[in-house]
Amino acid sequence: SQQGEEDPQALSIQEGENATMNCSYKTSINNLQWYRQNSGRGLVHLILIRSNEREKHSGRLRVTLDTSKKSSSLLITASRAADTASYFCATVSHNDYKLSFGAGTTVTVRA
Amino acid sequence: EPEVTQTPSHQVTQMGQEVILRCVPISNHLYFYWYRQILGQKVEFLVSFYNNEISEKSEIFDDQFSVERPDGSNFTLKIRSTKLEDSAMYFCASSEAHGYYGYTFGSGTRLTVV
Repeated sequence: SQQGEEDPQALSIQEGENATMNCSYKTSINNLQWYRQNSGRGLVHLILIRSNEREKHSGRLRVTLDTSKKSSSLLITASRAADTASYFCATVSHNDYKLSFGAGTTVTVRA
Repeated sequence: EPEVTQTPSHQVTQMGQEVILRCVPISNHLYFYWYRQILGQKVEFLVSFYNNEISEKSEIFDDQFSVERPDGSNFTLKIRSTKLEDSAMYFCASSEAHGYYGYTFGSGTRLTVV
């Protein structure tokens, strides 16, 4: 299966702390994307990293990609209560272009 | 910010009934998708649509499912004879380019089959 798998399943942190979550996948990819989902809502695209990129930043988000280990990480710095959500990685392979989602990491930021 | 609009937000239907879920993708996007998320499970790909035809579909997307772009703005998912296991959140998404950019998702339709 192409699907990414996130780790940990759940994360609880204090406001102001950093949150790190990891994603592993099984086959070669074209790109990897991270999405956020607030409870009962739609998926919001956060960041896309291509297979030839190793690191990408967007505001308080930092994503790394290690294609040799088939893994990616998402770091949220200086977390806020509004960052409380589920975070999903999704891979796009070279063979087809559908998003293959992992099970997600549920992040709770305590005020 | 452009957004993908889905209606209704919640639909309850009797088993065996037909349902149509509606989506208005972002106007300059060319690729359209349906995904679903059964409660507590992963988001699963159903179908992709480009140039007025299905470009890819998953095993879930069997003969009970169909998609249509009846006019220049709407994109619909029809389930002909709903089953209990079709209960899920259904997300529509659109993209400028297939797989090379992030997808914009709608807020979803929660389908409950009773």
